[in-house]
Amino acid sequence: KQEVTQIPAALSVPEGENLVLNCSFTDSAIYNLQWFRQDPGKGLTSLLLIQSSQREQTSGRLNASLDKSSGRSTLYIAASQPGDSATYLCAVVRNQAGTALIFGKGTTLSVSS
Amino acid sequence: DTGVSQNPRHKITKRGQNVTFRCDPISEHNRLYWYRQTLGQGPEFLTYFQNEAQLEKSRLLSDRFSAERPKGSFSTLEIQRTEQGDSAMYLCASSRGTGGFGEQFFGPGTRLTVL
Repeated sequence: KQEVTQIPAALSVPEGENLVLNCSFTDSAIYNLQWFRQDPGKGLTSLLLIQSSQREQTSGRLNASLDKSSGRSTLYIAASQPGDSATYLCAVVRNQAGTALIFGKGTTLSVSS
Repeated sequence: DTGVSQNPRHKITKRGQNVTFRCDPISEHNRLYWYRQTLGQGPEFLTYFQNEAQLEKSRLLSDRFSAERPKGSFSTLEIQRTEQGDSAMYLCASSRGTGGFGEQFFGPGTRLTVL
């Protein structure tokens, strides 16, 4: 059974810091991995998708990496801003048939000005 | 591309009542998913449609839950005889069948409170 773990559960940093959020999964046979952002009481916003054949994806100040063999992904946020404060969720898809995303519990980030 | 929409955004009901939620996916997406999220947890999969066919159901989807997607467009999720444990955020997502590498896009959710 696939399990996704995110560490740390919460993180507080001052504005301007670079930071790394971690995601690990128990079964390396994944189709892709998605990182999401969720603001309190809101839905999920897709940030980055990494296909199983890729090693990393970049969007603006965000960079996500994937190491299938070790069952790990990281989300790197450069030059953090107060507007980055949110919960970040990592999720994996088992296969191309398009079935369920399996989520971690998320990392809640707080960036202070 | 107007995104995934869900209605209502909030629903308060009394225990034992039936409730129905609606999801309108992104227009060219033929895959539609329902998830449930409780406080402090990541979303948990409930069910999945490809076009009008319901292809997968989680064991979380008890007999009181039913989902439909007539004509492969919008979807409804009905909960009968609601219980306080059903209180959660219900999220809908959609994705393309081919291409897009399975990226799922989520709606704003429906927050259900069962009193």
